[in-house]
Amino acid sequence: AQSVTQPDIHITVSEGASLELRCNYSYGATPYLFWYVQSPGQGLQLLLKYFSGDTLVQGIKGFEAEFKRSQSSFNLRKPSVHWSDAAEYFCAANTDKLIFGTGTRLQVFP
Amino acid sequence: NAGVTQTPKFQVLKTGQSMTLQCAQDMNHNSMYWYRQDPGMGLRLIYYSASEGTTDKGEVPNGYNVSRLNKREFSLRLESAAPSQTSVYFCASSGEVGDWGEQYFGPGTRLTVT
Repeated sequence: AQSVTQPDIHITVSEGASLELRCNYSYGATPYLFWYVQSPGQGLQLLLKYFSGDTLVQGIKGFEAEFKRSQSSFNLRKPSVHWSDAAEYFCAANTDKLIFGTGTRLQVFP
Repeated sequence: NAGVTQTPKFQVLKTGQSMTLQCAQDMNHNSMYWYRQDPGMGLRLIYYSASEGTTDKGEVPNGYNVSRLNKREFSLRLESAAPSQTSVYFCASSGEVGDWGEQYFGPGTRLTVT
């Protein structure tokens, strides 16, 4: 069955540290891939997306993600985290329907 | 430009009561969606409408009905609420028919069923 896995439920980093959030997908073919962010009490906002082409995609708020076909992964990265990045992050994939991972909650310490 | 709006923001129901969650978008999008979000489970699709006049079941449709009133509005109805329907409900829209990727989300409705 098609699925999206985010193995880390909760991650804590210090402000200024680098960040990598993991995402793996299980699909027969390469799906379209997305990262969304949800701030407390808010809806979801699209950070970035991958459809095809360059495997390193840039998004908003200084985030980037790298698609690795061999690992079925689409990990989200940021070189230097800010306190305002504390939120929940969702990886999602679609071929005919959008399927979300269970999310990773990011906590940032000053 | 309001994007996707949802009403109400919060609601408490007793078991067996009915209610309708309203959603509207002003982006002239064709497709609209209803999701529920539960802790540790991500977002799960309840129903969607690929275009005006059509609706289809998603992953968890039981206990819900929807109406695509016009291109702008897509409502979700709980006919007889159950505690298992306590959740946060999100409406979303996307531009092209079947464009499942770039969805725009409303702020959510937090529903508690006692």
